[in-house]
Amino acid sequence: DAGVTQSPTHLIKTRGQHVTLRCSPISGHKSVSWYQQVLGQGPQFIFQYYEKEERGRGNFPDRFSARQFPNYSSELNVNALLLGDSALYLCASTVSSGGYTGELFFGEGSRLTVL
Amino acid sequence: QKEVEQDPGPLSVPEGAIVSLNCTYSNSAFQYFMWYRQYSRKGPELLMYTYSSGNKEDGRFTAQVDKSSKYISLFIRDSQPSDSATYLCAMKTSYDKVIFGPGTSLSVIP
Repeated sequence: DAGVTQSPTHLIKTRGQHVTLRCSPISGHKSVSWYQQVLGQGPQFIFQYYEKEERGRGNFPDRFSARQFPNYSSELNVNALLLGDSALYLCASTVSSGGYTGELFFGEGSRLTVL
Repeated sequence: QKEVEQDPGPLSVPEGAIVSLNCTYSNSAFQYFMWYRQYSRKGPELLMYTYSSGNKEDGRFTAQVDKSSKYISLFIRDSQPSDSATYLCAMKTSYDKVIFGPGTSLSVIP
């Protein structure tokens, strides 16, 4: 069975540009979460979506947005990129939303470098 | 005070050693406690999870949760070079997001 797939795996952008990251969850999983992991730190929660609705949002500016599609795949968009947005962006899927035990299944991540 | 704290290491041990990894936390509402392992340039993978206080064992790995002290531990017995990775503790309340610690980098030297 395919795991969580993310694209692109690596990308380089310049300050002020926009980026779109994509995620396909494990088949049968309806919830997708996005995390940002800066080098040397743990993942920081950005968004959670379940059944196309936002179920949680972390402490990130409005430059960050996301959506979930009917097939449960998801996009993370970041506008007006800053140098500090350079990080590994991780997508994780779970079967359900509220009440789950925290067993997140992560993809390999999209490594974003902002120059 | 951060919600979840973890000694970042790096921790270097000889092959076969017993490894102890620890986290402390401040939110008494956390009920689910997890350890994730992350190899270099990979996504984290779930290693162990525990509900509430107590111990859980899985092969060479043992997870302990002490809610009264707000302290969780992961023990690795007979450590192997393949255990070299970053270990992230994580926790959550019943219906909230998963909060991760900063991770401890472990190297097991052959």
